[in-house]
Amino acid sequence: NAGVTQTPKFRVLKTGQSMTLLCAQDMNHEYMYWYRQDPGMGLRLIHYSVGEGTTAKGEVPDGYNVSRLKKQNFLLGLESAAPSQTSVYFCASSRRASGRAYNEQFFGPGTRLTVL
Amino acid sequence: ILNVEQSPQSLHVQEGDSTNFTCSFPSSNFYALHWYRWETAKSPEALFVMTLNGDEKKKGRISATLNTKEGYSYLYIKGSQPEDSATYLCAFPMEYGNKLVFGAGTILRVKS
Repeated sequence: NAGVTQTPKFRVLKTGQSMTLLCAQDMNHEYMYWYRQDPGMGLRLIHYSVGEGTTAKGEVPDGYNVSRLKKQNFLLGLESAAPSQTSVYFCASSRRASGRAYNEQFFGPGTRLTVL
Repeated sequence: ILNVEQSPQSLHVQEGDSTNFTCSFPSSNFYALHWYRWETAKSPEALFVMTLNGDEKKKGRISATLNTKEGYSYLYIKGSQPEDSATYLCAFPMEYGNKLVFGAGTILRVKS
């Protein structure tokens, strides 16, 4: 099992450029998430998905779009990159929440994005 | 917006010391409390998911307790080792489900 993988690992963009980050998981998890991590701020949820074909906004969704066309993939898009989007992006996945049995999240290795 | 606070922000201890740090969260509408360990250049890995008041969980030298009535959890490390050096994150679900709000983390450095 590869777990959660992310592509690419590093990227440098110029302001205004667009790009898509790909997350893939092979654990058959229902839920998937995109976070960004900035110094001193911990992980902040951008968007998430509770199943194929569904997406929803997290804490900091502005400037990002997502799609979940297949259960195993979750794409994060930046249509017009800004320097404020320089960050490390983490994807995660988890099993469906059931009653009080809240499930741990499994994280990918991260994508370091710099916007000049 | 939920506020999850961790203290201290960072901690430097000697090998063999025992240490603990705190996660504070809203005590109303409690669902669960997660602890993750995040080593440099790696991705966060789950340590514990705690759901019941009074819960105590243990994994090797690391243990955690939970007080949902007063809204805090403690993480303890007994006999710290250099390999325990990491950032320890706690996280609290926003609502029923698994959307997590993370604290900023406690950075632990263990000197040999």
